[in-house]
Amino acid sequence: DTAVSQTPKYLVTQMGNDKSIKCEQNLGHDTMYWYKQDSKKFLKIMFSYNNKELIINETVPNRFSPKSPDKAHLNLHINSLELGDSAVYFCASSQGGGGQGEETQYFGPGTRLLVL
Amino acid sequence: GQQLNQSPQSMFIQEGEDVSMNCTSSSIFNTWLWYKQDPGEGPVLLIALYKAGELTSNGRLTAQFGITRKDSFLNISASIPSDVGIYFCAGRKAGSYQLTFGKGTKLSVIP
Repeated sequence: DTAVSQTPKYLVTQMGNDKSIKCEQNLGHDTMYWYKQDSKKFLKIMFSYNNKELIINETVPNRFSPKSPDKAHLNLHINSLELGDSAVYFCASSQGGGGQGEETQYFGPGTRLLVL
Repeated sequence: GQQLNQSPQSMFIQEGEDVSMNCTSSSIFNTWLWYKQDPGEGPVLLIALYKAGELTSNGRLTAQFGITRKDSFLNISASIPSDVGIYFCAGRKAGSYQLTFGKGTKLSVIP
């Protein structure tokens, strides 16, 4: 069974469009994350939610808006897509508590976004 | 945001050779993690380290949590073709949910 799943796996769209990426985890974790991986493979944290509450909000254009309908889901909506948004977006989850091992993040397979 | 200094950036090795890579930081971390990312996939956890000086193995992989808590290394012994991928270190500070990732070491294994 897939622990952290993302849809779609590939997304090709025109500049200016609005798109959403969905993420679901069946691990019972309390905390979920969105990362952006650029062409140089650097993983940059974008957002994190703990029990549906935003706890990490890095310097990201406000065209990006995360939404967490429940603690098993964290979706990412992107408005007015730009060429520079092309990247791989990874969702991750962790138990999120202070105990040993609870900070370990488990990643989804990624969504490859290409903006034309 | 803060980054970890991970080296080397890339490596080309012969099958059967041992590999070593490391991460350093100017800050203290309470947890060090090592991930591997295969092409087209998400990062997968290899080893987690929780105490300064801790040495942990996972098959042919061995990682250590530096005694100063500012560094960690990963060794791979007797490399095989399926070891190809990008290896990331990540550190977590006390009381933080956030992981700070290194820039990755891209490993290529020549059969």
